[in-house]
Amino acid sequence: EVQLVESGGGLVQPGGSLRLSCAASGFTFSSYWMHWVRQAPGKGLVWVSRVNADVKTTDYADSVKGRFTISRDNAKNTLYLQMNGLRAEDTAVYYCVGGSRWYDFDYWGQGTLVTVSS
Amino acid sequence: EIVMTQSPATLSVSPGERATLSCRASQSVAGNLAWYQQKLGQAPRLLINGASTRATGIPARFSGSGSGTEFTLTISSLQSEDFAVYYCQQFNNWPFTFGPGTKLDIK
Repeated sequence: EVQLVESGGGLVQPGGSLRLSCAASGFTFSSYWMHWVRQAPGKGLVWVSRVNADVKTTDYADSVKGRFTISRDNAKNTLYLQMNGLRAEDTAVYYCVGGSRWYDFDYWGQGTLVTVSS
Repeated sequence: EIVMTQSPATLSVSPGERATLSCRASQSVAGNLAWYQQKLGQAPRLLINGASTRATGIPARFSGSGSGTEFTLTISSLQSEDFAVYYCQQFNNWPFTFGPGTKLDIK
């Protein structure tokens, strides 16, 4: 059974940092493209970042470029999102998503809530 | 960036009836469109890829059609578990973008 389990969310003050993790199992993580997608409370889905299987390709939405860093550890089957300089508008549920091809969003985790507030 | 729009914002349909949801792209995305279902408090689930290919385990009552800028998701006979929010997403141009969603309500 495919599982993606996010962790690391919580309440943080504006300007602060958080590191999200996503533990993967049930599929060949090291062969998959991985993404972070976020959803602000009551709002729609927004792609945030992606990384390819060998970490040679990373991309970011303009809204997080320069503040967020995506990475992965294929030996640990884990995806990360380092979030610095957090703003109120970064408040959202962050989903970890995996796909066998660069354009696939096959598997979704249950999400972790990040709240940026003073 | 390609802008995706969906209509209607809310659709009220009775169980057993057909539901037709629309998605439009601001420029052609060929057949590079996916549909997702999201139930309250849950993560999205992939329904349709490549505009018309059902994902693994998705019932045959879900079908997708369209190409270019106009797409449709049809649910042929609504079951109670189908009432949810549906999102379309284009994966033709980077960054991939989602529509705002259609909420499917019980009438």
